[in-house]
Amino acid sequence: EAGVTQFPSHSVIEKGQTVTLRCDPISGHDNLYWYRRVMGKEIKFLLHFVKESKQDESGMPNNRFLAERTGGTYSTLKVQPAELEDSGVYFCASSQSWGLETQYFGPGTRLLVL
Amino acid sequence: AQSVTQLDSHVSVSEGTPVLLRCNYSSSYSPSLFWYVQHPNKGLQLLLKYTSAATLVKGINGFEAEFKKSETSFHLTKPSAHMSDAAEYFCVVRTDTGGFKTIFGAGTRLFVKA
Repeated sequence: EAGVTQFPSHSVIEKGQTVTLRCDPISGHDNLYWYRRVMGKEIKFLLHFVKESKQDESGMPNNRFLAERTGGTYSTLKVQPAELEDSGVYFCASSQSWGLETQYFGPGTRLLVL
Repeated sequence: AQSVTQLDSHVSVSEGTPVLLRCNYSSSYSPSLFWYVQHPNKGLQLLLKYTSAATLVKGINGFEAEFKKSETSFHLTKPSAHMSDAAEYFCVVRTDTGGFKTIFGAGTRLFVKA
């Protein structure tokens, strides 16, 4: 069974540009989560989808970040326009059900904004 | 409020000696506790989890952790370190606070010397 996959693995962009990150969860997992680790800081929750609906987006830092999950399968996270402080590793995770279920993580996308 | 404290940012051990990575948590509710490992340029891999069953939890690769409610601790141990254990380890708390929240510790980087 394939795990959570993320694309791209690395992205280097200039300040002001747009970047879109993609996450493909484990097949059959309705719950999809985005997290971010900024350099030297803890991994922080960004948001949670249940199927195509945003269940919790309390961790989204500002309105430059837009997450979508059309059709309830893969998800995209767009940063527009990117700022220097957006640099970090963006992780995606999925779980079969909600609650205290184990979340399975992807390898992350390393974003560097210059 | 929920929080997770990993007491050591770095731990260095010699190959073949025991490993102890310390984690303390704060939670007003019965939490689920997890340990994840991240090898360089890899995703987060689940080592083990505690969900209110046995307090001693066995995980993969010879790791185990003991949930001690009185001490609010969930330390990760391994009897004998291997070179391949060198990685970053994250203690994670997931609780239902009227909405499920996932809190990561800051991470402990384990170095294994030959």
